Amino acid sequence: DIQMTQSPSSLSASVGDRVTITCRASQSIGSYLNWYQQKPGKAPNLLIYAASTLQGGVPSRFGGSGSGTDFTLTISSLQPEDFATYYCQQSFSTPWTFGQGTKVEIK
Amino acid sequence: QITLKESGPTLVKPTQTLTLTCTFSGFSLSTSGVGVGWIRQPPGKALEWLALIYWNDDKRYSPSLKSRLTITKDTSKNQVVLTMTNMDPVDTATYYCAHRRRDGYNSLGDWGQGTLVTVSS
Repeated sequence: DIQMTQSPSSLSASVGDRVTITCRASQSIGSYLNWYQQKPGKAPNLLIYAASTLQGGVPSRFGGSGSGTDFTLTISSLQPEDFATYYCQQSFSTPWTFGQGTKVEIK
Repeated sequence: QITLKESGPTLVKPTQTLTLTCTFSGFSLSTSGVGVGWIRQPPGKALEWLALIYWNDDKRYSPSLKSRLTITKDTSKNQVVLTMTNMDPVDTATYYCAHRRRDGYNSLGDWGQGTLVTVSS
């Protein structure tokens, strides 16, 4: 199985801050990397697919980069509605695997 | 508009078999490239991918759970069914089904609301 390691596991930030979350795969996955946002009690919501392609309707303050084994999700200016848990997921090969999540909390 | 909804028991006893149904609309599992997957999330924990079925009936399973899982589809009813045998309290989780998009990157673009399954005697 391909292991996905996210860091940090949690962070505290203020509205307007730039936030960066990293995700590392245990082997190369090309650009088969997706990011999801999950709010408490809700299903995950696709933010970015193919490592850097913004899903329709997702604000442009979200951005993704990387390829191979190292990936980054960036929120350029954190908004109140962005406080949530973020997961990366590799879809290069089954079993598809998720990172352990990064909880973004209000500072 | 794509929608998915999970249904099934909210409480099962240890050793019992869990059967969950995902009923969807807005796409067809007879269309080339389409897939439906199951993912679960224990309370307060991370997401765990369980299984996937493709339009051509190709099936994939989590290796750690493969012996306990079966995924099937009923294209005429727009449903996908997941069965998990020998349930244990550690299987307590919210179970989601999701639509595997034909974007070339296997993203899960649409999810059901999830159904919480508790395993307890």
